[in-house]
Amino acid sequence: AQKITQTQPGMFVQEKEAVTLDCTYDTSDPSYGLFWYKQPSSGEMIFLIYQGSYDQQNATEGRYSLNFQKARKSANLVISASQLGDSAMYFCAMREANYQLIWGAGTKLIIKP
Amino acid sequence: NAGVTQTPKFQVLKTGQSMTLQCAQDMNHEYMSWYRQDPGMGLRLIHYSVGAGITDQGEVPNGYNVSRSTTEDFPLRLLSAAPSQTSVYFCASSPRDATGELFFGEGSRLTVL
Repeated sequence: AQKITQTQPGMFVQEKEAVTLDCTYDTSDPSYGLFWYKQPSSGEMIFLIYQGSYDQQNATEGRYSLNFQKARKSANLVISASQLGDSAMYFCAMREANYQLIWGAGTKLIIKP
Repeated sequence: NAGVTQTPKFQVLKTGQSMTLQCAQDMNHEYMSWYRQDPGMGLRLIHYSVGAGITDQGEVPNGYNVSRSTTEDFPLRLLSAAPSQTSVYFCASSPRDATGELFFGEGSRLTVL
């Protein structure tokens, strides 16, 4: 069974608009962490944001925020005021207590000028 | 600030050849791992290690060997390369803390003919 699901293979968004990238996860472990990484066309993996399962507040990092809904097992990434440089693949990942990171298939985000 | 260093960045092999992808980190991280990334897919864990002398299999370990004789180094060996191993390989490390961000190398693009 899929542990991390990203249902949007691709998205087109107008520059300066906000965008939400979906991520749902499945785990029975009470302690886990959720990560979002960005992979531009150059190929490197760039860490964006982290949310722990016990964190009470949604994580924020600059223009990135994580909409964490534990009961629904979703951890959507919100990018405010999108920029052309945000065009990239975005991956959601989950880390359980065994330290292994399970990855979603990714969402390709294209920002239109 | 070297971080995680992978070599080589590009390699072309013939079927049946063997090779080693090198990975070194200078952050004293206990956890190190190898992933492969195939087109249109997220990262899949090959092998990981939670400390020197300790390694374990991930999701797709067949055809690969690893060892962890020091904290800094975590080489990945392809014993007899196959075309199915054509992929981009990433090495990553983190502190032994499930909340820790995973730091990635730049990736190694391997083609097996």
